[in-house]
Amino acid sequence: DGGITQSPKYLFRKEGQNVTLSCEQNLNHDAMYWYRQDPGQGLRLIYYSQIVNDFQKGDIAEGYSVSREKKESFPLTVTSAQKNPTAFYLCASSIFFGTNQPQHFGDGTRLSIL
Amino acid sequence: AQSVAQPEDQVNVAEGNPLTVKCTYSVSGNPYLFWYVQYPNRGLQFLLKYITGDNLVKGSYGFEAEFNKSQTSFHLKKPSALVSDSALYFCAVRDITNDMRFGAGTRLTVKP
Repeated sequence: DGGITQSPKYLFRKEGQNVTLSCEQNLNHDAMYWYRQDPGQGLRLIYYSQIVNDFQKGDIAEGYSVSREKKESFPLTVTSAQKNPTAFYLCASSIFFGTNQPQHFGDGTRLSIL
Repeated sequence: AQSVAQPEDQVNVAEGNPLTVKCTYSVSGNPYLFWYVQYPNRGLQFLLKYITGDNLVKGSYGFEAEFNKSQTSFHLKKPSALVSDSALYFCAVRDITNDMRFGAGTRLTVKP
């Protein structure tokens, strides 16, 4: 079955450390997205990519970085500049950016500070 | 810029009773509207969408939603709630700029 795989499911970050969250999709979708979910705030867009080798900042990009070297993969790095990284991170994809088709979501990575 | 509001943080219903989860939106132009459901420690699952056409949209698991342009609302409904419907529900809107905005979510609890 096609879908989105996020790993790891749980991740702990030490002070001053960068950590990378993995997102892989086998849906052959062009567009991919990273969201941050905090209780009571819904989903906020961190970065998105419309196509390979392209990505754009979302609403809360500060302290995060991404790459899109392959169509299937869109890893997110949470840098030490992100002072409040504790959250649930969701990766999503859609067939192309701006489609009226829904986004497909992975099962998330929960990041905590040690 | 578009926005979406879910005015209720929590909705409680008894099993077998009808349920409604409310959503209102603000967009420029015609909206694309979506409902998603999230179970604990899982991603969002798509339930239904409104693009154009009939104001009553039917989706997965017996859910439906009514689009009301004059009230800028897109409420999620189900005629008879199940305990297994207990989850977090998100409304989302996309407009011509292609940005997708999610509401803050409504926690639905269905009691036996």
